[in-house]
Amino acid sequence: KNEVEQSPQNLTAQEGEFITINCSYSVGISALHWLQQHPGGGIVSLFMLSSGKKKHGRLIATINIQEKHSSLHITASHPRDSAVYICAVSQVGDMRFGAGTRLTVKP
Amino acid sequence: KAGVTQTPRYLIKTRGQQVTLSCSPISGHRSVSWYQQTPGQGLQFLFEYFSETQRNKGNFPGRFSGRQFSNSRSEMNVSTLELGDSALYLCASSEGQNNEQFFGPGTRLTVL
Repeated sequence: KNEVEQSPQNLTAQEGEFITINCSYSVGISALHWLQQHPGGGIVSLFMLSSGKKKHGRLIATINIQEKHSSLHITASHPRDSAVYICAVSQVGDMRFGAGTRLTVKP
Repeated sequence: KAGVTQTPRYLIKTRGQQVTLSCSPISGHRSVSWYQQTPGQGLQFLFEYFSETQRNKGNFPGRFSGRQFSNSRSEMNVSTLELGDSALYLCASSEGQNNEQFFGPGTRLTVL
């Protein structure tokens, strides 16, 4: 079993829909990261969180440490949000990654 | 500030050769981490350097090595290349060990 599990693997939405991507982990962590990867490979860090909730524009990330679960929400989705979203957990100096969720937002 | 830069961006090698990839972190960042991304295994942690010291290493064979210089620039080396080493190699820099990481564009290595 992978230490970091994401669901769903693939997600197709219509523009404007509310999107949720889930991440569960089974190891102790110092922080959880949500990353975005566009075609071509570049990765952007969206959030790094160790408790509670963070918001940046239309993106919201939450984490429940007791349940070892995090969610990434996208409100009012847009075609430019189409990308692979990757959940990762960091311990002391290393990072373990989920397999990613491929999101396609159709106009 | 300039972002993380990686050189070269693309590289083609043959089995048995060795390769050196370079990463220049964001100015002021002292931690550099390296990752391998393949379609089959996804993203995997290779190693992390801080102030010229390797602090953590992932589960990769000894053919994979790295170093960090006094200006925080880092290199990774893969010796005796195998077909399975074909991957996107990403580096990321951060101010410290548990800070947000900023990723470079990656080096796409193809081993023939």
